[in-house]
Amino acid sequence: DAKTTQPPSMDCAEGRAANLPCNHSTISGNEYVYWYRQIHSQGPQYIIHGLKNNETNEMASLIITEDRKSSTLILPHATLRDTAVYYCIAAYNALTFGKGTMLLVSP
Amino acid sequence: GAVVSQHPSRVICKSGTSVKIECRSLDFQATTMFWYRQFPKQSLMLMATSNEGSKATYEQGVEKDKFLINHASLTLSTLTVTSAHPEDSSFYICSAWPQVLQKLDTQYFGPGTRLTVL
Repeated sequence: DAKTTQPPSMDCAEGRAANLPCNHSTISGNEYVYWYRQIHSQGPQYIIHGLKNNETNEMASLIITEDRKSSTLILPHATLRDTAVYYCIAAYNALTFGKGTMLLVSP
Repeated sequence: GAVVSQHPSRVICKSGTSVKIECRSLDFQATTMFWYRQFPKQSLMLMATSNEGSKATYEQGVEKDKFLINHASLTLSTLTVTSAHPEDSSFYICSAWPQVLQKLDTQYFGPGTRLTVL
């Protein structure tokens, strides 16, 4: 898996958009960009993934740069329940988890 | 859809005993399942990749004779921690990869099993 780099922590006000960046400059052509999140003492929850194009689902949007070296996960209207560790992973098969970004959503 | 369950959710055992953890994909078939381990305040670490009907592939540093994995069906994989010791205490998480690359073309994780070895 390509190595990913994420800020260790971020803060966001409730109701505002949360934009979580991820750098994956060594990503190879067949590797997808996956985003998962983990709330304390639970299994990771799938959020979204993409290969080249931007993606949107009911949870979030994923913006991948044209050169695929970085991406941004967007939670359009963050709630307190979105407080979690967010993992960005570049992979084709097994997922390799880095340290992720601890997102704290505050009232 | 895409629900993965684990049983038990929490187990406490004595040192030297064996513990079996089950991972089930409830609404899809999974050719491949993965087992992870997570120590406190650390990230998930991949232990092994389990393919239905074949031997599991273990990551470097993971003892295959200690962590026995069986993937006998497309919906069930088991992890048995043999002769458990206190250092095996951890949060064990499985994930399942759907068989068919359709909309569900990503891995889905179970809720995890907290193992405490006394």
